[in-house]
Amino acid sequence: AQTVTQSQPEMSVQEAETVTLSCTYDTSESDYYLFWYKQPPSRQMILVIRQEAYKQQNATENRFSVNFQKAAKSFSLKISDSQLGDAAMYFCAAMEYGNKLVFGAGTILRVKS
Amino acid sequence: ETGVTQTPRHLVMGMTNKKSLKCEQHLGHNAMYWYKQSAKKPLELMFVYSLEERVENNSVPSRFSPECPNSSHLFLHLHTLQPEDSALYLCASSQEGQGHNEQFFGPGTRLTVL
Repeated sequence: AQTVTQSQPEMSVQEAETVTLSCTYDTSESDYYLFWYKQPPSRQMILVIRQEAYKQQNATENRFSVNFQKAAKSFSLKISDSQLGDAAMYFCAAMEYGNKLVFGAGTILRVKS
Repeated sequence: ETGVTQTPRHLVMGMTNKKSLKCEQHLGHNAMYWYKQSAKKPLELMFVYSLEERVENNSVPSRFSPECPNSSHLFLHLHTLQPEDSALYLCASSQEGQGHNEQFFGPGTRLTVL
């Protein structure tokens, strides 16, 4: 069974600085998907970025990028030029076959002005 | 607004009440999900419906009863709940068969069981 671990319950970053959120996962599959979701205080969960495991190139979406280390089963999220609107709970998630998502416990990101 | 709506947004109920949570997706998706989000715990997948058929039931107690009358609507019927069932219940939808499998979430229903 898949497990996803986020070891940082809370992180803080200064506005305009860079922060990295950690995520490790465990799977026996060779083909799977990885996701980072953001849940702002309004509670609507939105997708930040996704990575297909068969792709070696790290995914990038504007200020958000991942460091995908398949052998180490690590999938960290880097947020560059942090903004106040980035403050939220961030969830790492993994999906094997079908559409079953397994989530980590989440990391609360606080952005200081 | 992501195209997935949930009502009510907040619900307080006693242990003997019967209530229902409603989810509607306006994205043309063919799969819908119920998740439970408790404080300091990972999101727990409860039910998965694909093409209106239940394909996943993650050992959820029978006091939670899902219903999917069509591909756009999903209900979660609640009866004789326990205080530990208090949580945020999230609905999501996705389009099966597409490679990226992104799930779109609703805003959730905050449930409090007294």
